[in-house]
Amino acid sequence: DAGITQSPRHKVTETGTPVTLRCHQTENHRYMYWYRQDPGHGLRLIHYSYGVKDTDKGEVSDGYSVSRSKTEDFLLTLESATSSQTSVYFCAIRDQDRPQHFGDGTRLSIL
Amino acid sequence: SQQGEEDPQALSIQEGENATMNCSYKTSINNLQWYRQNSGRGLVHLILIRSNEREKHSGRLRVTLDTSKKSSSLLITASRAADTASYFCATYANNDMRFGAGTRLTVKP
Repeated sequence: DAGITQSPRHKVTETGTPVTLRCHQTENHRYMYWYRQDPGHGLRLIHYSYGVKDTDKGEVSDGYSVSRSKTEDFLLTLESATSSQTSVYFCAIRDQDRPQHFGDGTRLSIL
Repeated sequence: SQQGEEDPQALSIQEGENATMNCSYKTSINNLQWYRQNSGRGLVHLILIRSNEREKHSGRLRVTLDTSKKSSSLLITASRAADTASYFCATYANNDMRFGAGTRLTVKP
């Protein structure tokens, strides 16, 4: 596997609490992505980053924020979690026009 | 919104048979990629075909691309039980990648 680590791998939390997911890479790739995967929807892009402190919204960005203060770390934050954000979250990295490499995902349940 | 749509949504075959999955998309692309996902894991890249290519091979995988029909197919020959997974196509254009909802392949021993 490419050097991508997602943490935590599983999390259960309550509605209204803040949640931060971390993606860490050791590949020094420029691009990093956060997706969510839900049945029937495939992968949907939440936010992505094209460099340190350079981020942009994806197609399902409402309710999420991101930060990238270092090349290797890309954080996804749910400021006030809702049950509709229960999902499996995947981080991916990419170098130039090469394919994406994915982490193993974080399973997030919001009760 | 999804760019690629896979067909069928689910496919069940016997070991040794060939499996064909199709992907259709709507807009012009730079390339199209196929990924595989085992249960509980992240997606793994299988093969990339550029818009100026028509066919590509990698081991038991064969991918075709028809840009006039905006469609691609993934053929897995001589399937094995270990090929059981979900397969996704992803279109790439203008620094934007979009995934389909996937085909769930089950290969019975």
